[in-house]
Amino acid sequence: QQPVQSPQAVILREGEDAVINCSSSKALYSVHWYRQKHGEAPVFLMILLKGGEQKGHDKISASFNEKKQQSSLYLTASQLSYSGTYFCGTEMSGGSYIPTFGRGTSLIVHP
Amino acid sequence: DAGVTQSPTHLIKTRGQQVTLRCSPKSGHDTVSWYQQALGQGPQFIFQYYEEEERQRGNFPDRFSGHQFPNYSSELNVNALLLGDSALYLCASSLEPGPNEKLFFGSGTQLSVL
Repeated sequence: QQPVQSPQAVILREGEDAVINCSSSKALYSVHWYRQKHGEAPVFLMILLKGGEQKGHDKISASFNEKKQQSSLYLTASQLSYSGTYFCGTEMSGGSYIPTFGRGTSLIVHP
Repeated sequence: DAGVTQSPTHLIKTRGQQVTLRCSPKSGHDTVSWYQQALGQGPQFIFQYYEEEERQRGNFPDRFSGHQFPNYSSELNVNALLLGDSALYLCASSLEPGPNEKLFFGSGTQLSVL
C-alpha cells in the first residue's frame, strides 16, 4: 500500500521552515526518508523505527507516530541545498520489509 | 569508494524489443533491488536479489526478469517492451536484505520506448 505524502509541493524562501507528512493506512514497522535532486539518485536521509523516535540530520529532523501511522519531516531554516523531491518509504509490520515509496513532495527553496 | 553504478545512463528502444540494464552495488553490499520510477512518481519496487536468488518481487509482469552474479552485480531484463515501460530504472544496494536497511541508489538508466 503506497503511503500518502502531503503537500505535493512546497515553495519557500531561504530560512523558512517546512513540514512534509507521510501517512499510511496500514501498521508501520519503520519509515525511510530520501531526497532526490533533479537528474540525480535518491539520497538517504534517515530511518525511523517504531516507538515514536525522533531523528535529526543537521537541520532536518523527523518524527514517527506509530499509533497514527504517520511520519513527518521537519526542515528548519531551509537552505538552497534543501531543494529537491522528498520521498518517504514505509515498511509494513509483518510485511516484506521492502520500503514502498510515496509519490514525493517537491520542495523549492528560493534565495 | 565507488557507490552504486548503473549502465547505460540512457537508452532508446522501440516497442517489442528487449533491453538489459546493469548495476554494480556499493562495495561491501550483497543485496540489490531494482525500482521503476515514472515521471513525477516515487520509485516502484520491481524485485530484490540476494545470494544470486530473487528474494522478493513487486507487482510487475514476468516480462521483467533479473539476475545477480557471484560478484553481486545485477542485471534487469525487460522483454517485449511497451510504451508504458518508459521510465527511470533505479538500482539500489544495501548491506543485507531485511528490515530497516539503508538503500544506496544509483543515478539510474533512463529508458525511452518509442
